[in-house]
Amino acid sequence: AQSVTQLGSHVSVSEGALVLLRCNYSSSVPPYLFWYVQYPNQGLQLLLKYTSAATLVKGINGFEAEFKKSETSFHLTKPSAHMSDAAEYFCAVIPNRDDKIIFGKGTRLHILP
Amino acid sequence: SQTIHQWPATLVQPVGSPLSLECTVEGTSNPNLYWYRQAAGRGLQLLFYSVGIGQISSEVPQNLSASRPQDRQFILSSKKLLLSDSGFYLCAWSSSRYEQYFGPGTRLTVT
Repeated sequence: AQSVTQLGSHVSVSEGALVLLRCNYSSSVPPYLFWYVQYPNQGLQLLLKYTSAATLVKGINGFEAEFKKSETSFHLTKPSAHMSDAAEYFCAVIPNRDDKIIFGKGTRLHILP
Repeated sequence: SQTIHQWPATLVQPVGSPLSLECTVEGTSNPNLYWYRQAAGRGLQLLFYSVGIGQISSEVPQNLSASRPQDRQFILSSKKLLLSDSGFYLCAWSSSRYEQYFGPGTRLTVT
């Protein structure tokens, strides 16, 4: 079955340190891939998306993600964490053009002062 | 630009009472519409989706139902709430670009 896996339900990084949130997917064809962010008691906000154009995708708030077909990964990174980045992050995939979107279980990012 | 609204923002209801949550989208036509639930400490669970007026697909059997009386209106209902219905309910819409855009959510507490 098509799926998306986020490694680590909680990740803690120090303010100013690199943020790396991992996402792996399973798909038989190049998928559409997304990262969303959710702040407490709010809806999900689209951070960035990959739709078979450039493999390195830049999003809002300084985040970016790289599509690596050989590794079936779409990890989210940010060079320097800010306290305001503390939130829950969801990776999502549309495995095939006519499929529904599948969300990962989420990773809660904690920023340490 | 497109916007999506949900109300109410919070709701506290007793077990056995009815439920009606409303979602409306502005600035687009014929969107795909979705209802999700987030239970505490869990991910997103797709409850219903709709590709057009009166067209509802249910993903999970339960005591909830959905309706789409107008193109940009999506309603989540229940005749009798259960404790297990507590959670954060999110409405979302999408167009042919596939990514979904979410509303602000409704926090439902069943007591």
